Amino acid sequence: QKEVEQDPGPLSVPEGAIVSLNCTYSNSAFQYFMWYRQYSRKGPELLMYTYSSGNKEDGRFTAQVDKSSKYISLFIRDSQPSDSATYLCASEGAYSGAGSYQLTFGKGTKLSVIP
Amino acid sequence: KAGVTQTPRYLIKTRGQQVTLSCSPISGHRSVSWYQQTPGQGLQFLFEYFSETQRNKGNFPGRFSGRQFSNSRSEMNVSTLELGDSALYLCASSRSGVGGEKLFFGSGTQLSVL
Repeated sequence: QKEVEQDPGPLSVPEGAIVSLNCTYSNSAFQYFMWYRQYSRKGPELLMYTYSSGNKEDGRFTAQVDKSSKYISLFIRDSQPSDSATYLCASEGAYSGAGSYQLTFGKGTKLSVIP
Repeated sequence: KAGVTQTPRYLIKTRGQQVTLSCSPISGHRSVSWYQQTPGQGLQFLFEYFSETQRNKGNFPGRFSGRQFSNSRSEMNVSTLELGDSALYLCASSRSGVGGEKLFFGSGTQLSVL
């Protein structure tokens, strides 16, 4: 079982819809959770960053973490065609003895917002 | 502030060859990580460097190696290329690579192995 699981979609919604993207994780030690957005032929871009449980809102985007159920969510309100991209959830992963850490990513959900 | 810069953007190689990819981190960032992205496996961690030392390594064969220079710029090398090495190789930087830091990615190098 991967440490971070994400439904790959694809997900297609009409413009203006509310989009809900979800991930689950298995490592109860994870403390930091991120959402990245990746456009075609580009690198991932940090979209939302959350520490521990709770909600974080930034404009049309809301990130939610429920540590009791190990569930990570991203909500996009009033979705726009420019939101069409692949969305990747990530959590901090294995922590090496040398003091560094690596991110563990979900496989990404491809979202299309239709005008 | 300039972002993470990766060169080249595209590479086409044949099986058995070797390749070197380059990454310049954001100014002031001393940690550089490398990831491989494929449609089947998603993003997978290769290794992380800090102050010219490899601190963390993912589960990849020894054909994949890297290094970091005193100016924090990093290179990764893949020797004896295989068809399965075709992927988008992404470099990411952060200030010190410790838990909770934000990671910033470059646009990647798309490697095709024929």
